[in-house]
Parts: sequence; structure tokens; C-alpha cells
Amino acid sequence: SAVISQKPSRDICQRGTSLTIQCQVDSQVTMMFWYRQQPGQSLTLIATANQGSEATYESGFVIDKFPISRPNLTFSTLTVSNMSPEDSSIYLCSVALDGDYGYTFGSGTRLTVV
Amino acid sequence: AQSVAQPEDQVNVAEGNPLTVKCTYSVSGNPYLFWYVQYPNRGLQFLLKYITGDNLVKGSYGFEAEFNKSQTSFHLKKPSALVSDSALYFCAVRDRGFQKLVFGTGTRLLVSP
Repeated sequence: SAVISQKPSRDICQRGTSLTIQCQVDSQVTMMFWYRQQPGQSLTLIATANQGSEATYESGFVIDKFPISRPNLTFSTLTVSNMSPEDSSIYLCSVALDGDYGYTFGSGTRLTVV
Repeated sequence: AQSVAQPEDQVNVAEGNPLTVKCTYSVSGNPYLFWYVQYPNRGLQFLLKYITGDNLVKGSYGFEAEFNKSQTSFHLKKPSALVSDSALYFCAVRDRGFQKLVFGTGTRLLVSP
């Protein structure tokens, strides 16, 4: 399985600012995924990020609010823009290894917006 | 669209007793099914998956799950619960035609000494 390094592990941010979360994988992977877990809730997929193309966003999530970069096969970033307290959540990146059916998750970024 | 249901918000069991955490799914074709566990302030840890083959799948930490196609279920089981098993458990499903993983709402397992 892959090893994912996700940074930062947690942050407290002022409303109106932006935070960029990084996800580094130790293997080359085609698809990377970004999830949000609101307090006491399940995981919701924000978008799927493929290298060399624009991310595909799920219903309810837009690129202006959650821009994603995928510059190569081992790295991706998610930015949470113009934050409000409602954005306080855990954000997780995930990868699916090519040829495997399992999914590996990063340790998550716990974001608190004040 | 694929979906997962975890009907129990919380399951309580005494240490040493068997445990079951329920999961039912809905997909248009044959599913890939997964169980993950989340400990406080931690990310998701993979427990086991069903892709094909034997309906009984064995995973990490003594957990197993049984795939039942007729009942569209994939219940998580363990013969003897440990206090350290107390955590949040998520069932997830993926349609074979898509990469997206859809999660259930989670079940909190509380194992009492």
C-alpha cells in the first residue's frame, strides 16, 4: 500500500483567509481524491484529481472555493478559500493504487475557522 | 448511484463478546466493499475489502466481514471484542465502473471492560 504524507495536520485560521493542504504520496498514482469530514459526520468526496487535467468536483463543491492542483503523479494540493466557520472540518486525501482496489488515506488536516 | 447504509449509530458490546457492525449497500453492478476504522484524532485505517471470491473476508486486528449478495450486506464481525476496538467504523462501496468511494454514516463501537 502507499504511504501518504499530509500537511498540515491541523490549523486554526481566521475567517476570510485561505489554507492550502498538501498531500505527498510515496508512489506514482493516477487518481487522488479529496474528502471532507464535518464534525460528527461521514466522509464526503470533494473532488477527484487526475494528473494533467482539471479536477472533477462533486455536487455541492466548486473550484472557486476548493481549487486543486495536481502537478505530478505523487503530489496534490487542496485550497480552502475564503474560509468561514462552516468550513471547519477534517480534510483527507486518498489514493487508489493502479492495479489495486484498496484506498489509502492520509492522516487528515483538522481545520478550525474562527 | 451507489450508496451505503449503516443503520446503527452506536454498538455497545462487552469485552470478550462477539461484535457485529451492520452495513448494507446499493450499486448498479457488482460492488467493491470496504471497511475502515477511525480512532480519535487519526485518519482512516483500512481493515478489509471484498473484491471477488470467497464471501468471508478476513482483515486486520481479527476482524472479518461476510459478503451477502442476496441481502446486499457486508457486516463486520469479530469473535471476541477488545476495549481497544472502541472506535468509529465506516463501511464504503465502490461501483466497479467508477473509482469513487462512497461512505456510510459510520457506527461508533463502544467495548466496555
